[in-house]
Amino acid sequence: AQKITQTQPGMFVQEKEAVTLDCTYDTSDPSYGLFWYKQPSSGEMIFLIYQGSYDQQNATEGRYSLNFQKARKSANLVISASQLGDSAMYFCAMRARGSGGSNYKLTFGKGTLLTVNP
Amino acid sequence: DGGITQSPKYLFRKEGQNVTLSCEQNLNHDAMYWYRQDPGQGLRLIYYSQIVNDFQKGDIAEGYSVSREKKESFPLTVTSAQKNPTAFYLCASSIGLAGEADTQYFGPGTRLTVL
Repeated sequence: AQKITQTQPGMFVQEKEAVTLDCTYDTSDPSYGLFWYKQPSSGEMIFLIYQGSYDQQNATEGRYSLNFQKARKSANLVISASQLGDSAMYFCAMRARGSGGSNYKLTFGKGTLLTVNP
Repeated sequence: DGGITQSPKYLFRKEGQNVTLSCEQNLNHDAMYWYRQDPGQGLRLIYYSQIVNDFQKGDIAEGYSVSREKKESFPLTVTSAQKNPTAFYLCASSIGLAGEADTQYFGPGTRLTVL
């Protein structure tokens, strides 16, 4: 079964500092994709960054980077130089095939609420 | 501007009524999805459609129905058979790539409350 675990229900960070949000995953599919989404209080899910299981380098998008450690099955999101507008829920998700199935499915973790303090 | 629109933003329903949530996209995406989000939870897949006139059940399809008559539109009906429909509903779309890299983009959501 596919599973995403986010162990930090809430995190606090000071403005301008970096923060790491943890994500571990479990799948038997050798080919999978890892995604991070941001959900502000308005509710819309905003795509941040993608990492493929075969990618050799960690993905980066502006202030976001994904610390991909395949052997440990972890895909942590690093936000550098935090801003007040970064305060939101952050979801880790994985797209992979289920056991015995041919269809890819996106599975979400339960999220981490990040609060950026001035 | 390309994007995904959902309407209404807030919806109130009396018990026993069916309601339909609208989802429209102008991204020319082939695939569309409906998710449900409950407080403190991640998203759970209700239905998805990879092509016009075709759709499949997700993990929690009971009490819901969909149609996909146009590429741009994927409305979701919450029927009276859905025992606990109060939730936040998110629609998403993607290009429809076959592999692991198919990124889903989301609409602003509809918050449904049963009175």
